[in-house]
Amino acid sequence: GAVVSQHPSRVICKSGTSVKIECRSLDFQATTMFWYRQFPKQSLMLMATSNEGSKATYEQGVEKDKFLINHASLTLSTLTVTSAHPEDSSFYICSARKTVSSNQPQHFGDGTRLSIL
Amino acid sequence: DAKTTQPTSMDCAEGRAANLPCNHSTISGNEYVYWYRQIHSQGPQYIIHGLKNNETNEMASLIITEDRKSSTLILPHATLRDTAVYYCIVRAGAQKLVFGQGTRLTINP
Repeated sequence: GAVVSQHPSRVICKSGTSVKIECRSLDFQATTMFWYRQFPKQSLMLMATSNEGSKATYEQGVEKDKFLINHASLTLSTLTVTSAHPEDSSFYICSARKTVSSNQPQHFGDGTRLSIL
Repeated sequence: DAKTTQPTSMDCAEGRAANLPCNHSTISGNEYVYWYRQIHSQGPQYIIHGLKNNETNEMASLIITEDRKSSTLILPHATLRDTAVYYCIVRAGAQKLVFGQGTRLTINP
């Protein structure tokens, strides 16, 4: 159990394009989902916490107008990178936590590799 | 900032037990210890977590010292597929899961 699906797995697009990444919890409900970014040879950096039915909470230094997060249901959160530029190229990873207990582990998707040309 | 300290890298022979240490000397009473691993170009995979008792599942064992200031993840019979970066993270309740640099474990044939 506890499967998180992320789509697409890889995106290559031109500078200025907006890209949407979906994160779904397949077999559990997730009140809270998280979005991370990982640059080559670095660790995961939390970008924002996505709460179902409310506005996302962004980490310091992450532009909320550039990285739009929508968490419309207990099984789906989306991250839209607006007007993407080459410096936004990165590995984006989502995770979700079961609603029942906050000490339950977060489960991660397989990531989306975004390449902006 | 990550609240844990792990060795940067470790090597282990295939078939042997891999013991990965983690120091978390400032851990609070309500913080759990979580272990994840990340195989190249994939999302992190949950391994195990615990509060104060030792834990075992189909993947690994987690040994937490009595004072809870350190722990060890044990992979009993390492295989080549266990080569990954292993992250030890402490978290309580609604706290964020903050990743440090982890330990790069290489299993050698």
